[in-house]
Amino acid sequence: EVQLVQSGAEVKKPGESLKISCKGSGYSFTSYWIGWVRQMPGKGLEWMGIVYPGDSDTRYSPSFQGQVIISADKSISTAYLQWSSLKASDTAMYYCARHLYYFDTSTSTTSNWFDPWGQGTLVTVSS
Amino acid sequence: SYELTQPPSVSVSPGQTARITCSGDALPKQYASWYQQKPGQAPVLVIYKDSERPSGIPERFSGSSSGTTVTLTISGVQAEDEADYYCQSADSSGTHVVFGGGTKLTVL
Repeated sequence: EVQLVQSGAEVKKPGESLKISCKGSGYSFTSYWIGWVRQMPGKGLEWMGIVYPGDSDTRYSPSFQGQVIISADKSISTAYLQWSSLKASDTAMYYCARHLYYFDTSTSTTSNWFDPWGQGTLVTVSS
Repeated sequence: SYELTQPPSVSVSPGQTARITCSGDALPKQYASWYQQKPGQAPVLVIYKDSERPSGIPERFSGSSSGTTVTLTISGVQAEDEADYYCQSADSSGTHVVFGGGTKLTVL
């Protein structure tokens, strides 16, 4: 069974650093991108970025570039999302998900989708 | 920045058909996916590549595409289908993933 298991909930103060994790199992971890998605309280899903554990190639949403760091350690099948200085506005649920990509050569159409998803990590930043 | 537009809410009676739309200029060149999210749970993929259904997803869930609009159709809606539904695709370059704002499906 393909599974992603995330680290537990965190409560932090503004200005503190944080690194949350996402451990994959049941598939070749180095062969698929892993994505991170933010969901602020009562709001929708926002794509943050993706990492390819095979070579640590990383792509960021312009909205999150420079705000977080996405990384992976293929030796332990784990991806990470980290902050150097948290803000109250970082309070949210964060999901990791396996990112799949397909290019249809007959129509020159691409497809991206996320499956499965981790259970989520709730990050609360409050003074 | 690129956006996908969904209606905020859709309501249907049990047994009826629910249709949730998602519009975006790049959809003719980028396939779309759909996710179901129930309260307190992680999203679950229900449709990918516009109309493909993952294993384990009921046949009442289907997807279609026409021009700049994709549609998630739930036939014979059941009470358990009440959830938020999100479309997802990418910009025209395929570089950046984007989610729609989400649609709350209410089963009356």
